[in-house]
Amino acid sequence: DVKVTQSSRYLVKRTGEKVFLECVQDMDHENMFWYRQDPGLGLRLIYFSYDVKMKEKGDIPEGYSVSREKKERFSLILESASTNQTSMYLCASSLRTSGRSYNEQFFGPGTRLTVL
Amino acid sequence: AQSVAQPEDQVNVAEGNPLTVKCTYSVSGNPYLFWYVQYPNRGLQFLLKYITGDNLVKGSYGFEAEFNKSQTSFHLKKPSALVSDSALYFCAVRDGYNNDMRFGAGTRLTVKP
Repeated sequence: DVKVTQSSRYLVKRTGEKVFLECVQDMDHENMFWYRQDPGLGLRLIYFSYDVKMKEKGDIPEGYSVSREKKERFSLILESASTNQTSMYLCASSLRTSGRSYNEQFFGPGTRLTVL
Repeated sequence: AQSVAQPEDQVNVAEGNPLTVKCTYSVSGNPYLFWYVQYPNRGLQFLLKYITGDNLVKGSYGFEAEFNKSQTSFHLKKPSALVSDSALYFCAVRDGYNNDMRFGAGTRLTVKP
């Protein structure tokens, strides 16, 4: 089974702090994704990466950055946390799309971040 | 750009009755459609996907979904609901050109004994 792990289940930070959320997958997936989940808004894509050192902006990249130095690890960085970044953060991974292979994403358990 | 709509925030059904969770989509080109389920304090779990072929797709836990191209819909169904099916359900779509997906806002299914 694919396993996607996230470094923390719950995290509390103060406004202005730099926050790192880590995600690791063990199935050699090329693609990795960061979403935030808010009630009534569903999942919104922040950033994704389809290869090491590659990144693409999603729908809501403002206030976030990412790092992918190794294939199995994808980090989300909040440069200066703000209260409106309080949310559930979900990491996912998938095999690369090739030909007609459209692969589902596998999700980690999520990190509930509270910014005070 | 691709998008998904889940018109119902909440669906309530009695145990043993059939259930339907609705989803409509918008994409350029051919759609690739997915359903996920989220149990409390858990990440999303994949249920099923439609890529091509038969319009009726069967997935995990007895769920199935019907792809309807003319109505741009991909409704999730189950013939007989269980209390344990109570969860948050997400529909997602991608087109043939991108590696990313777009998710709906989610529908909370409650199955009452």
